[in-house]
Amino acid sequence: QSALTQPASVSGSPGQSITISCTGTSNDVGGYNYVSWYQQYPGKAPKLMIFDVSKRPSGVSDRFSGSKSGNTASLTISGLQAEDEADYYCASHTSSSTVIFGGGTKLTAL
Amino acid sequence: QVQLQESGPGLVKPSETLSLTCTVSGVSIRSNYWSWLRQPPGKGLEWITYISYSGNTNYNPSLKSRVTISIDTSKNQFSLKLTSVTAADTAVYYCARIYSGIDHWGQGTLVTVSS
Repeated sequence: QSALTQPASVSGSPGQSITISCTGTSNDVGGYNYVSWYQQYPGKAPKLMIFDVSKRPSGVSDRFSGSKSGNTASLTISGLQAEDEADYYCASHTSSSTVIFGGGTKLTAL
Repeated sequence: QVQLQESGPGLVKPSETLSLTCTVSGVSIRSNYWSWLRQPPGKGLEWITYISYSGNTNYNPSLKSRVTISIDTSKNQFSLKLTSVTAADTAVYYCARIYSGIDHWGQGTLVTVSS
């Protein structure tokens, strides 16, 4: 299984909105509403930010939102803050009932 | 609260077997799915395998021939074995719960493959 495609890096100024894309196929992202997003700081374990495409776990800021169109899922962070600077990964359920991740996106808050 | 803790050797010799155990607290392992993932230094996340309390399993196709996951409900633990390791298997290994997404993660344990 090939990794989902994410941009290697994105950046934005505080207060702006940024979007990270995650492109797969009809066998993963496009075929199921089981896309999730993870935030990871250096040296730390990932943290679940979005599940089932657009649902937020309890305690996650509503500045984080998810969506999907066709084979591409997106994570949007509104009102960018310095603390949002981290690596972000998308993941999807696949037609083989496996889990596949994106290569990760490094978010820089300028 | 749900907590997971990985344990096992931090150094494994090439061609040998990597063995890790995840101890779950705060919730019974007799529910949900339990998973192993890894992250090579400076690289992205890779899902390895998952298991349900009833023993339903699935594996990353690229690792399937070398990986075994098992569960011990009496100890609230699950385990990973990865055979014939090489330097490419050097990574931080995470255990985690799959519920709505991968919602709880262990802190991770670095396993280095070296002679």
